Amino acid sequence: SAVISQKPSRDICQRGTSLTIQCQVDSQVTMMFWYRQQPGQSLTLIATANQGSEATYESGFVIDKFPISRPNLTFSTLTVSNMSPEDSSIYLCSVGFGNTEAFFGQGTRLTVV
Amino acid sequence: TQLLEQSPQFLSIQEGENLTVYCNSSSVFSSLQWYRQEPGEGPVLLVTVVTGGEVKKLKRLTFQFGDARKDSSLHITAAQTGDTGLYLCALEDSSYKLIFGSGTRLLVRP
Repeated sequence: SAVISQKPSRDICQRGTSLTIQCQVDSQVTMMFWYRQQPGQSLTLIATANQGSEATYESGFVIDKFPISRPNLTFSTLTVSNMSPEDSSIYLCSVGFGNTEAFFGQGTRLTVV
Repeated sequence: TQLLEQSPQFLSIQEGENLTVYCNSSSVFSSLQWYRQEPGEGPVLLVTVVTGGEVKKLKRLTFQFGDARKDSSLHITAAQTGDTGLYLCALEDSSYKLIFGSGTRLLVRP
């Protein structure tokens, strides 16, 4: 199992600014994932962050908009850059151990005004 | 196009009623997971189904995996207000990424 601490839990940001979300895991994991959940919707994968390599982005998401860092096996950050109201969502980090349960942080609720 | 389609999208029922949520795909998958997400929290795993035709019970929740491994259902007996939440089916692709279904939002009224 894994316990994931994500912060901030929520924020209200001005358009055009950037926000960095932190994700700390209580154990070493190879794969970390970042998801976006728009209001009333399901989860959409943004990217996979593996330590020691560039993040892999899903279709529709680009590094310039969502830069990701993965400095070690227990930590990752996701930055939402040059925000617009359309970026208002819940952002969640997740870890998995391959073919078993995935664990999620509690999410960061972002509102862009 | 959503790989996993869930129905219904939204369900509002009275406490004590039964309900079924469906997860369908045009593709065969090796296993399927069901998660529940409560407001302000991340999704939490309820069950993983692996074998075609498999039925798993978790207290009042019954999960079924279709014989052809292209569909699954979640049945809740005598729903309680604590069952309120977003129910998500998900499959893991070859890169260990979880792909989620469209979700079913359940509201159980007291």
